[in-house]
Amino acid sequence: DTGVSQNPRHKITKRGQNVTFRCDPISEHNRLYWYRQTLGQGPEFLTYFQNEAQLEKSRLLSDRFSAERPKGSFSTLEIQRTEQGDSAMYLCASSLGTGAGGYTFGSGTRLTVV
Amino acid sequence: AQSVAQPEDQVNVAEGNPLTVKCTYSVSGNPYLFWYVQYPNRGLQFLLKYITGDNLVKGSYGFEAEFNKSQTSFHLKKPSALVSDSALYFCAVRLPTDKLIFGTGTRLQVFP
Repeated sequence: DTGVSQNPRHKITKRGQNVTFRCDPISEHNRLYWYRQTLGQGPEFLTYFQNEAQLEKSRLLSDRFSAERPKGSFSTLEIQRTEQGDSAMYLCASSLGTGAGGYTFGSGTRLTVV
Repeated sequence: AQSVAQPEDQVNVAEGNPLTVKCTYSVSGNPYLFWYVQYPNRGLQFLLKYITGDNLVKGSYGFEAEFNKSQTSFHLKKPSALVSDSALYFCAVRLPTDKLIFGTGTRLQVFP
């Protein structure tokens, strides 16, 4: 097992375009989380899944954001009509159960909107 | 309001000296506590966690942390700093809703 994998590592897009990121969690982990980290700040929670069910969405997640985990394995995070304020590092994490065993983070996808 | 505070933006220490990175939290109940390290343009690497039990937790790369319930603190420590420890350190608390809230991070600079 190679840990949590995120693709792409970097994405530069023009304002108004749609982007999609992928996260492959540790295979036996049933929970998957998305966080966003802006420069100089700690990560902020966006949403999380248990298997394929999306259990919670942050108020940070506007209508332009959507996340899916269709088969309870990998997840995608889509941002429609990107804005410059969406520029950030998007981090994915996974855990087995409710986090007592810890959360494993991926290396992140850095989005730059120009 | 539930929050995590890392009062120092930066900590400077000479190689070989002990280091402490401070963290306090304001969360009800008995939260899980974590420390992560982040290198430039990378994700978060797990260092250690406190769930229950012994207040002194040992983790990766020689780091340890002391949980103090009365002071609601979870300070990260290492007896002898290395230049390679220079990075951004985040304290995090797990809420009952199973999401983490993070501090704003402390940049550790270890000088040769």
